[in-house]
Amino acid sequence: ETGVTQTPRHLVMGMTNKKSLKCEQHLGHNAMYWYKQSAKKPLELMFVYNFKEQTENNSVPSRFSPECPNSSHLFLHLHTLQPEDSALYLCASSLGLYIYNEQFFGPGTRLTVL
Amino acid sequence: QQQVKQSPQSLIVQKGGISIINCAYENTAFDYFPWYQQFPGKGPALLIAIRPDVSEKKEGRFTISFNKSAKQFSLHIMDSQPGDSATYFCAASKGPNSGGSNYKLTFGKGTLLTVNP
Repeated sequence: ETGVTQTPRHLVMGMTNKKSLKCEQHLGHNAMYWYKQSAKKPLELMFVYNFKEQTENNSVPSRFSPECPNSSHLFLHLHTLQPEDSALYLCASSLGLYIYNEQFFGPGTRLTVL
Repeated sequence: QQQVKQSPQSLIVQKGGISIINCAYENTAFDYFPWYQQFPGKGPALLIAIRPDVSEKKEGRFTISFNKSAKQFSLHIMDSQPGDSATYFCAASKGPNSGGSNYKLTFGKGTLLTVNP
């Protein structure tokens, strides 16, 4: 295991639901990331947090709302999603925001929006 | 605009053969080139990485070849094994002195490698 856990592993939700994805890292890292992985597309960076502060919002729609209460936990709150938001959502962490700090990925949450 | 182009999209190799995956980039500010391996049901994991001051890096059966002038780099898997069957992603990020968010990785679209026994 990578030391990064994500729950739930699978989620099916309707377009009017509100749900949250959870990520926890046990590596003592200070930076955490949310990525979106869609079939046949490059991984898309969504949000970055460093020491609980958001440093990056990659033009993500407001129906995705991140939260980072501490350096070990990261949430992604979802509301009024669209079917095209169906994808694998990956959480990652790294020691810091530096080019050579390896990013460790969790197993992802497979999200299906009906 | 896709900044890192990866090919092929899928690759089938016999056990013991050589698997070769290629990537090309456009941004000359890229200064770090990692490869990630992803098994089904798992997240990507760093496999091997190279900096442009060397033309080749080898770790076990995995080798990265780097051609700075052509802005291309490739992953070679020697003596491919069924356990190597996975999706491989190349990536690139800017150097520490290039300014901006040098921790941001730009990924290729991935190559699904199948190694037949």
